[in-house]
Amino acid sequence: AQSVTQPDIHITVSEGASLELRCNYSYGATPYLFWYVQSPGQGLQLLLKYFSGDTLVQGIKGFEAEFKRSQSSFNLRKPSVHWSDAAEYFCAVGDTGGFKTIFGAGTRLFVKA
Amino acid sequence: GAVVSQHPSWVICKSGTSVKIECRSLDFQATTMFWYRQFPKQSLMLMATSNEGSKATYEQGVEKDKFLINHASLTLSTLTVTSAHPEDSSFYICSAGDWSEGYTFGSGTRLTVV
Repeated sequence: AQSVTQPDIHITVSEGASLELRCNYSYGATPYLFWYVQSPGQGLQLLLKYFSGDTLVQGIKGFEAEFKRSQSSFNLRKPSVHWSDAAEYFCAVGDTGGFKTIFGAGTRLFVKA
Repeated sequence: GAVVSQHPSWVICKSGTSVKIECRSLDFQATTMFWYRQFPKQSLMLMATSNEGSKATYEQGVEKDKFLINHASLTLSTLTVTSAHPEDSSFYICSAGDWSEGYTFGSGTRLTVV
């Protein structure tokens, strides 16, 4: 069965510092991978997605993610974090069987001044 | 881009009453919509897949008689929490759209049962 693991429950970074959020997946075939962001009390916004092709994917708000098949990872990165990036980040894998989206547990990002 | 509207944003109801939550696709037709439940500081748990014109498909462990889903049109799915109890208090989110593009999520509904 497909699954997504986000090892870090929360991460704190200083404003202006670089960020990397980890995501590992379990999937039998080529995965469809997503990163979403959720602000408190809000729905989810898609940051980026990977289906095939270039393993380095660019998204909105300056985020990027790199698909590494050998490591079953899809880590999210941003070179310089802004205070407005503080939110909950979810990695997800697409289930082609039922076209469902399976979410990781999420990583809460705190940004300190 | 695809827009999904969810209403209400928050609702407080008395224990034993029923609450209806609406999920609308504003600029596209959605034959399938998804309903999620999110507990505080936790991930999203898929409750059911709402299919236009047919019965919803519920995930294991979700009570279909408690969480009634109706998808009567290509732009509207409703989730009715029947005979709500405090343990049903949660954040409910719907999603729809093109799976290959990444689904669009509604802004969520905070349900509090008192």
